[in-house]
Amino acid sequence: NAGVTQTPKFRVLKTGQSMTLLCAQDMNHEYMYWYRQDPGMGLRLIHYSVGEGTTAKGEVPDGYNVSRLKKQNFLLGLESAAPSQTSVYFCASSYGFSYEQYFGPGTRLTVT
Amino acid sequence: EDQVTQSPEALRLQEGESSSLNCSYTVSGLRGLFWYRQDPGKGPEFLFTLYSAGEEKEKERLKATLTKKESFLHITAPKPEDSATYLCAVPNAGNNRKLIWGLGTSLAVNP
Repeated sequence: NAGVTQTPKFRVLKTGQSMTLLCAQDMNHEYMYWYRQDPGMGLRLIHYSVGEGTTAKGEVPDGYNVSRLKKQNFLLGLESAAPSQTSVYFCASSYGFSYEQYFGPGTRLTVT
Repeated sequence: EDQVTQSPEALRLQEGESSSLNCSYTVSGLRGLFWYRQDPGKGPEFLFTLYSAGEEKEKERLKATLTKKESFLHITAPKPEDSATYLCAVPNAGNNRKLIWGLGTSLAVNP
């Protein structure tokens, strides 16, 4: 049981480049989330999904897109990376909203 | 406005020196309060969920309690391996899909 996995673990992008972060969970959770964590800012929700084929905006969605084509996978895309998107990105999943969320190990992204 | 505040921001203890971390919240209609532990370079790890005032949960040296306005994470006789950042979060009363996160308490336990 791997739980929540994320790829890649580290990535360096140049301004304007694009990339996709992949999150996978093997717990059959309906809900999945993408967060970013920055010093002094705490965890901030980017986008979330309440089931396969659904997505919704969180607190800081600008500059990001997501897709949930399969229940176990949640993809986060950066279309044109900016230095302000330098951060650590975490994916999480849960059975439902009022249930605990389980987090992946994170992706450290640097945009130069 | 829904808000979660954790204190202190940082805490340094000697091994065996018990203490408490605080998580105060302002949200109408509490739907649960979550405690997490985060080690450097890793994702948050779930510890406890508390749903109603008076509820308590324990895990090894940790005990979480809940009142109508705050939660405490009591650490009894801590060990160096308890060093981590402890986060709390509550569901947003307005938008049921969002957790309001505190900034965490960074705990260091010296041997």
